[in-house]
Amino acid sequence: DVKVTQSSRYLVKRTGEKVFLECVQDMDHENMFWYRQDPGLGLRLIYFSYDVKMKEKGDIPEGYSVSREKKERFSLILESASTNQTSMYLCASSLNPYGNTEAFFGQGTRLTVV
Amino acid sequence: QKEVEQNSGPLSVPEGAIASLNCTYSDRGSQSFFWYRQYSGKSPELIMSIYSNGDKEDGRFTAQLNKASQYVSLLIRDSQPSDSATYLCAVNGRTGGFKTIFGAGTRLFVKA
Repeated sequence: DVKVTQSSRYLVKRTGEKVFLECVQDMDHENMFWYRQDPGLGLRLIYFSYDVKMKEKGDIPEGYSVSREKKERFSLILESASTNQTSMYLCASSLNPYGNTEAFFGQGTRLTVV
Repeated sequence: QKEVEQNSGPLSVPEGAIASLNCTYSDRGSQSFFWYRQYSGKSPELIMSIYSNGDKEDGRFTAQLNKASQYVSLLIRDSQPSDSATYLCAVNGRTGGFKTIFGAGTRLFVKA
């Protein structure tokens, strides 16, 4: 079974802190994604990566950065956390670099910024 | 205009009925289409994928794609209370690289 593992299920951070969300997949997938999910807004793409050290901005990259030093690991960084970044964060991976295969999701990290 | 649009619902159907979920998308070059189910507090999981015009059936689920109308739908036959969830439509297109764009989801309630 494909497994996508996010480092934390719940996080509480203070405004201004630098926050790291880690994601690891064990199926040698090319693509990895970070989404945030908010009520009424659905899943919004923050960043994605189709290869090691490659990254592309999604629809809402402001306030975030990412790192992909190894194929299996994709990290989301909140440079200076703000309360409007309180959300559910979902990491996903997919096999095909052209995006036409299903995405497998991690369990999600519910981040609260106070 | 949102890239992928769905009616947020909630859509309520009685047990045993057919539930019909709809999705439209804006990128005419889109090539891959997916339906995910998300239970409350859980992550999305794939139900169906469809890549060419027409119908694709898998058990109680049928996905329908009409690229000319930029429309994709999911039919759930013999709906069960366990089908109660949010259904997300996802589209992957040529523009913008390899990203998959999700709709906001339709909440489905199946009444016993």
